[in-house]
Amino acid sequence: QKEVEQNSGPLSVPEGAIASLNCTYSDRVSQSFFWYRQYSGKSPELIMSIYSNGDKEDGRFTAQLNKASQYVSLLIRDSQPSDSATYLCAVKETGGSYIPTFGRGTSLIVHP
Amino acid sequence: NAGVTQTPKFQVLKTGQSMTLQCAQDMNHNSMYWYRQDPGMGLRLIYYSASEGTTDKGEVPNGYNVSRLNKREFSLRLESAAPSQTSVYFCASIESPEQYFGPGTRLTVT
Repeated sequence: QKEVEQNSGPLSVPEGAIASLNCTYSDRVSQSFFWYRQYSGKSPELIMSIYSNGDKEDGRFTAQLNKASQYVSLLIRDSQPSDSATYLCAVKETGGSYIPTFGRGTSLIVHP
Repeated sequence: NAGVTQTPKFQVLKTGQSMTLQCAQDMNHNSMYWYRQDPGMGLRLIYYSASEGTTDKGEVPNGYNVSRLNKREFSLRLESAAPSQTSVYFCASIESPEQYFGPGTRLTVT
């Protein structure tokens, strides 16, 4: 059974710092990786996707993938209080039906 | 373009009652999903529909049934609600690789 592991947190960082969120996965055939942000009481929102080893940057967000070590991370630069949310990692095999496996999420708190 | 919509937003049921959660998407997506989310448990897939006319069980299907009414609509039915089904239910659709979630239904079974 595929497993996706995340530290539940909370991860607390000061405003302006870099927040680093990590995710490990068990299934070596996983090929697509996603980060979702979920504010309290709201639905998940896709913020980053990554498919190949290395870094992918989008504004203040950088996703990092290392397939050999089976981990994916999300860096948030210049963290803002509005980044306080739960971040869900999801992985999916290539091909077949689109059935991602979600981690339980990491709670991030950015304090002023 | 409303994206994924769900009704109702909140519902309280007594044990043994039945109800149907409605979901619709206006993005012409083929695949639709029902998840439940419980504290500390993350998102768990109940059922999914890869395309109109097909449905398949996910990780936690017991106690639920689904209907893919047409390409737009995918409903989730609880035939005899149990307190263990108290949860937040999310519908989602996919335009690969992006998955879009509805706003959720908060269900309490007493």
